[in-house]
Formats: sequence, structure tokens, C-alpha cells
Amino acid sequence: DGGITQSPKYLFRKEGQNVTLSCEQNLNHDAMYWYRQDPGQGLRLIYYSQIVNDFQKGDIAEGYSVSREKKESFPLTVTSAQKNPTAFYLCASSPDSSSYEQYFGPGTRLTVT
Amino acid sequence: EDKVVQSPLSLVVHEGDTVTLNCSYEVTNFRSLLWYKQEKKAPTFLFMLTSSGIEKKSGRLSSILDKKELFSILNITATQTGDSAIYLCAVGEVYFYYGGSQGNLIFGKGTKLSVKP
Repeated sequence: DGGITQSPKYLFRKEGQNVTLSCEQNLNHDAMYWYRQDPGQGLRLIYYSQIVNDFQKGDIAEGYSVSREKKESFPLTVTSAQKNPTAFYLCASSPDSSSYEQYFGPGTRLTVT
Repeated sequence: EDKVVQSPLSLVVHEGDTVTLNCSYEVTNFRSLLWYKQEKKAPTFLFMLTSSGIEKKSGRLSSILDKKELFSILNITATQTGDSAIYLCAVGEVYFYYGGSQGNLIFGKGTKLSVKP
């Protein structure tokens, strides 16, 4: 089955620790995205990647880092510099950067205490 | 500043009611407007609208775009408890840069719909 997978579903970390969220897709999509969703805030774009080995900051990139070494994978690292990391994180992909229909993964809920 | 505004933010109705969800936008380089349904986890795609006045329909759901007045509505007729979800509106915008362009989605905050039996 084609789709986007994110792991883990739930993640708990202590403050000050970096944590990496996984996102994998087998849709052969060029573009991938990371969003953060907070209650009442909608989805906000963290980083996006149009193609392998290239990525761009979104609206709220501070405290996050990404890599795109393979087409299928776009991991997100939440660093200790991110002031409010507790949130629901959604990964998405689209066939290419000019396609607006994005397909979403199931999300990872990160709780930092 | 670009923005997408959805209203109402939350809505409670009874099964069988008809609801209308609103989405207005102010985006510099508009390309499309999308509606998603989010139940517990991943948003799932409902509609993409690019042309004014052409209604898109899928079962009990329909949507239309007005590019002159800069808004879209999502209608759900004969609501069912399974329609309970957050409905997200997103506007596709294109950024131009030297050598290319990039399309991004700007999301509204969503409308939380609760359908009571």
C-alpha cells in the first residue's frame, strides 16, 4: 500500500533533549513537508523539501532541523532550542512542489516535560 | 500578511442538520483552495478548487469558491455523527524566485464540527 508513515505515534521526552521524528513515504513524491499543529492554531509549516538534498525553512523553523538524504525520507529533529516543543507534528508529501494537494501521515504527538 | 480565516471555529449540530463552513483568504499569489477533514490524526483531502463559481460535490459534501470576494464555503447536508471532525481550509500560494517557483499551503485554524445523535 502506498502512503506516508510517521513514527512513533506518541513520544515523550525530557526538556533539553533533542528528538527526531521519522517520516517515510513510498508515493514517489518529490516534495515533503513538516507541519506543527497546536490546539486552535491550525497547521503551521516548519520545513519543506522540494527535492533530495534540498530543504527550505517554513514559517516556524527556529529550533528545528531536517535532512533529505533520500527521496522517501524526511526526518525532523526537534532540538533543545525549540521553546515550546509539545505539539502534534504532521508530515506531508506532494507529487512535486507545484502540486497543492498534499497527502498527510498519521502524525506524531510529542510531549516534552 | 497572508492569512486564511475560517468561521465558525466550532459548531454543534444535530444529525440531519445542514451546515455551512466558511473560509476567507487574503493571499498574494493565489493558486487554489483546498478543504481537508481531520478526524483524529491525518487530514484527509476533500476538495481542491481553482475556478470561481464551479461547485464540487462528493456525496453530501459540496464546496464552491468565489475568487472575487475571496472566500469559499463547504456545505454538508443531512449531517451524520461520522461527520464530526475538524475541517481545515488551506490556500495554495506560489512563491517565485530566480530559476523557479514553489507552491505552499497556508492553513486556517479549522472549524471543529460536532454532530450530536
